[in-house]
Amino acid sequence: QSALTQPASVSGSPGQSITISCTGTSSDVGGYNYVSWYQHHPGKAPKLMIYDVSDRPSGVSNRFSGSKSGNTASLTISGLQAEDEADYYCSSYTTSSTLVFGTGTKVTVL
Amino acid sequence: EVQLVESGGGLVQPGGSLRLSCAASGFTFSSYWMHWVRQAPGKGLVWVSRINSDGSSTSYADSVKGRFTISRDNAKNTLYLQMNSLRAEDTAVYYCARACCFYRPADYWGQGTLVTVSS
Repeated sequence: QSALTQPASVSGSPGQSITISCTGTSSDVGGYNYVSWYQHHPGKAPKLMIYDVSDRPSGVSNRFSGSKSGNTASLTISGLQAEDEADYYCSSYTTSSTLVFGTGTKVTVL
Repeated sequence: EVQLVESGGGLVQPGGSLRLSCAASGFTFSSYWMHWVRQAPGKGLVWVSRINSDGSSTSYADSVKGRFTISRDNAKNTLYLQMNSLRAEDTAVYYCARACCFYRPADYWGQGTLVTVSS
């Protein structure tokens, strides 16, 4: 049950686009289309931003999009805004019927 | 409005026990799978355990297997996590989260409760 690998930090200027990667194995990310992404502001409840690789829950801005290729999933934030500054985590179900999260990425808006 | 409110956290000595609760409201609790996820200070989210809607199936992370027990009382709309043989590395904020069913994302989370294991 090793954590999925994410970059520790990603930054961008307002209006720019950034992409966060999430690398796993064929036993998790590569094996299922059940990758989710969460936004987490410290001290608050994590918020679901993307599920099933690329679907957005109702109410989530279309500036957030997801994709997957092989064992790596990605979250793209376009038109970066100050409110997007937060920690982001990917997650995936595994072939062991457990859930695994990524190491987390701190997004900084310059 | 969906609400998940965790409670029961606190300071406990190594080797001690603690039971966390998660009170659910605003949705049909008995229809949802539930998860516990934790975050150690300065670290990332880590999945701990999950239970299916009627409590008949559970799963645990290797790091807590044999020490933690997840359960639920659908009549009281409450999820539990019994934590025994606690270690310093169990120190974390513990979140409960709901998912409609297996392989579905955790779509609502509580604000968390802090557990500190220290002598």
